[in-house]
Amino acid sequence: GAVVSQHPSWVICKSGTSVKIECRSLDFQATTMFWYRQFPKQSLMLMATSNEGSKATYEQGVEKDKFLINHASLTLSTLTVTSAHPEDSSFYICSAREGTGFQETQYFGPGTRLLVL
Amino acid sequence: KQEVTQIPAALSVPEGENLVLNCSFTDSAIYNLQWFRQDPGKGLTSLLLIQSSQREQTSGRLNASLDKSSGRSTLYIAASQPGDSATYLCASRGSSASKIIFGSGTRLSIRP
Repeated sequence: GAVVSQHPSWVICKSGTSVKIECRSLDFQATTMFWYRQFPKQSLMLMATSNEGSKATYEQGVEKDKFLINHASLTLSTLTVTSAHPEDSSFYICSAREGTGFQETQYFGPGTRLLVL
Repeated sequence: KQEVTQIPAALSVPEGENLVLNCSFTDSAIYNLQWFRQDPGKGLTSLLLIQSSQREQTSGRLNASLDKSSGRSTLYIAASQPGDSATYLCASRGSSASKIIFGSGTRLSIRP
């Protein structure tokens, strides 16, 4: 099946710095990519939906100026956590959608664990 | 607004038992329902996807059913093994253009 990669797989940073996470669809073109956040022992919460070449759509309660999303190509989306704080520490998972209609499939990346000190 | 619930939150059973994980959703007008597996600290692995027109899907020892009228889906695992220990998430999608809504998951532990 199709593969979605994320880089880095884990990152530790100091409070106040910015961190960029990359999400790539390795062998397919993704018209839509999604970013999720997962806190320990909780489920995935959708943060934003991004379409190639357009601005991301953020879920209610997610600060778009803090979580910058860029979907520059059909195979790459990036999430930048700006001025990170300890409460931003979480597991971030991206997902990429391939195809349309009933042929559509959504693939998930392996996740990036962020720890802000 | 769609809400997806999974009960129980955690389950521990001895190896070899057959078991059922439950998922309920509030809006029966779903596009599809999907079951995922998540190992600790890892991403998601898709197990089974049931389209709205289907009643069930099977893969190996796994069988997932969908009853839209009652707002329920179940994941049946036959002859459980320690390697089945993981968190199982169900997720529903309301339409082809809508986002996936995840349940809170069931943490399954299979005792050797």
